[in-house]
Amino acid sequence: GENVEQHPSTLSVQEGDSAVIKCTYSDSASNYFPWYKQELGKRPQLIIDIRSNVGEKKDQRIAVTLNKTAKHFSLHITETQPEDSAVYFCAASKGGSYIPTFGRGTSLIVHP
Amino acid sequence: KAGVTQTPRYLIKTRGQQVTLSCSPISGHRSVSWYQQTPGQGLQFLFEYFSETQRNKGNFPGRFSGRQFSNSRSEMNVSTLELGDSALYLCASSRLESVDEQFFGPGTRLTVL
Repeated sequence: GENVEQHPSTLSVQEGDSAVIKCTYSDSASNYFPWYKQELGKRPQLIIDIRSNVGEKKDQRIAVTLNKTAKHFSLHITETQPEDSAVYFCAASKGGSYIPTFGRGTSLIVHP
Repeated sequence: KAGVTQTPRYLIKTRGQQVTLSCSPISGHRSVSWYQQTPGQGLQFLFEYFSETQRNKGNFPGRFSGRQFSNSRSEMNVSTLELGDSALYLCASSRLESVDEQFFGPGTRLTVL
């Protein structure tokens, strides 16, 4: 089955810095890669996703890049703010009815 | 449009008891997935229902079961509770036959004493 590795497990940055979280996947058939943000005590929320037919997707301060050859994808957050502090989960899926496999999560701490 | 709702939000049970958790998906969503979230194991998939049929199943023992009703609401049941079942149980719904773009509920925090 699919295996998703996520690094780092904890990331501490100063407000205004950029943050990068990386994930690798094992199944070359995976073609859908969502990212979820979970604030303390709240539900995970989808913040951005990418499909294998594109290499990069941006949404304001958030971007995701995908390297299908190397089987890794990354979340980039620019100009970080304290409200970006949360646990971020990546996932990989073959799409359709296939259930996504989640990474273990990265705890992002943005210091004011 | 109302989001995914789960009841109850908190539960305390003792070992050996059983528990039933409920999930109401977003109106129009037909797929409901259940996950167990723990600090050590992260998000682990339990099962997924689509149109009242279990379509996917994770690697959990038979003590964990679920069902989906004709209105897409879903329940999961855990029998003979163990201490290790203490976790946040999340359900997520998806709009189409695909389980892409899942919308999560707030979760039920289960504590087993």
